[in-house]
Amino acid sequence: DVKVTQSSRYLVKRTGEKVFLECVQDMDHENMFWYRQDPGLGLRLIYFSYDVKMKEKGDIPEGYSVSREKKERFSLILESASTNQTSMYLCASSETSGRGNEQFFGPGTRLTVL
Amino acid sequence: GENVEQHPSTLSVQEGDSAVIKCTYSDSASNYFPWYKQELGKRPQLIIDIRSNVGEKKDQRIAVTLNKTAKHFSLHITETQPEDSAVYFCAASYGYGNNRLAFGKGNQVVVIP
Repeated sequence: DVKVTQSSRYLVKRTGEKVFLECVQDMDHENMFWYRQDPGLGLRLIYFSYDVKMKEKGDIPEGYSVSREKKERFSLILESASTNQTSMYLCASSETSGRGNEQFFGPGTRLTVL
Repeated sequence: GENVEQHPSTLSVQEGDSAVIKCTYSDSASNYFPWYKQELGKRPQLIIDIRSNVGEKKDQRIAVTLNKTAKHFSLHITETQPEDSAVYFCAASYGYGNNRLAFGKGNQVVVIP
């Protein structure tokens, strides 16, 4: 079974704080993703990484950065948290094959920025 | 990039009836179409997927159909049960290597006992 874990289920931060969300997968997947989930908006891609130290912007990268120093770990960084970043954050991983593959999701981190 | 539209946004069905959710996509290069189910407070989980070289796929009470010409695909759930109540997301692959997924906004399905 693929396991994708996230460092926190719930997180409360103050405006202006630097926030780190971590994701770890144990299936040696090349691809890792960070999504934001808001009611009525579905899952929106923030950043995508296809290899160690490699990253691509998704649809809503503003205000976020990412780090992938090891294959199994993908971090999302909010440089200066703002109230409009209050949301559910989901990490996912997948194999790469050129044909599209199932993404396996972590349990999510519900972030509240006060 | 890819644009995925999902309809209806909410669907209520009587237990035992069928439910159908439809999605459209825009990128003709998309070749992988998964459906995810997300129960309240839980992570999205894959329930069925289909690739572009197949028109239909079935797994027990769940089936997916794909019409590449019209760029739409549908999820069919037969003999619905209360445990089918959840949010369902369709998605379509895109980008280099088709590694990314574009998700629809989700359908809330409510099965009424």
